[in-house]
Amino acid sequence: AAGVIQSPRHLIKEKRETATLKCYPIPRHDTVYWYQQGPGQDPQFLISFYEKMQSDKGSIPDRFSAQQFSDYHSELNMSSLELGDSALYFCASSLDSGDRRNTIYFGEGSWLTVV
Amino acid sequence: AQSVAQPEDQVNVAEGNPLTVKCTYSVSGNPYLFWYVQYPNRGLQFLLKYITGDNLVKGSYGFEAEFNKSQTSFHLKKPSALVSDSALYFCAVRREYSSASKIIFGSGTRLSIRP
Repeated sequence: AAGVIQSPRHLIKEKRETATLKCYPIPRHDTVYWYQQGPGQDPQFLISFYEKMQSDKGSIPDRFSAQQFSDYHSELNMSSLELGDSALYFCASSLDSGDRRNTIYFGEGSWLTVV
Repeated sequence: AQSVAQPEDQVNVAEGNPLTVKCTYSVSGNPYLFWYVQYPNRGLQFLLKYITGDNLVKGSYGFEAEFNKSQTSFHLKKPSALVSDSALYFCAVRREYSSASKIIFGSGTRLSIRP
């Protein structure tokens, strides 16, 4: 079965640079979530989109932005990168139309290292 | 606000013995409860969920979880542990009847199964 696809899997950037992470949800899923997991930490919610509209916002820095496109893929843009942004970034998707009890499935994550 | 607590940072069990990973939750209304497993440098894999119905939920890899509303708990169990079960386990909660509602994770419990 198709899963959530994230790219790139690994990314190394210098401080103050910009990075873009991409997420391709499971086909027919209408909701996308972004999470950040620092070393030894639990995943922290950043932002979510439902039917291409921002649905909820968590602890996402102002330097970060995201959007969901017409084909339901999503991109997380991170600017003015800081060392503390080094983390594993997860994208997840779910199908929320109609039945709102569906499972949220996670991708393998994108490792961002800021040097 | 919803929250999840995993009181044990680490659980050590001998192979073949039963295991329990504890989780308690706090949420207004009825919760959707999940368990995810994370292997080193990997994504979050869905194990099982409780939505409604039987309090004992069966999931992947022989795991099951028991929902206890009066104790607001959702402990993960397995009758006979395998060395390959060694991983990081996250309990998570999602608020019912809220489209695109985010999933909130506990702090995680590292399960170590010794041969």
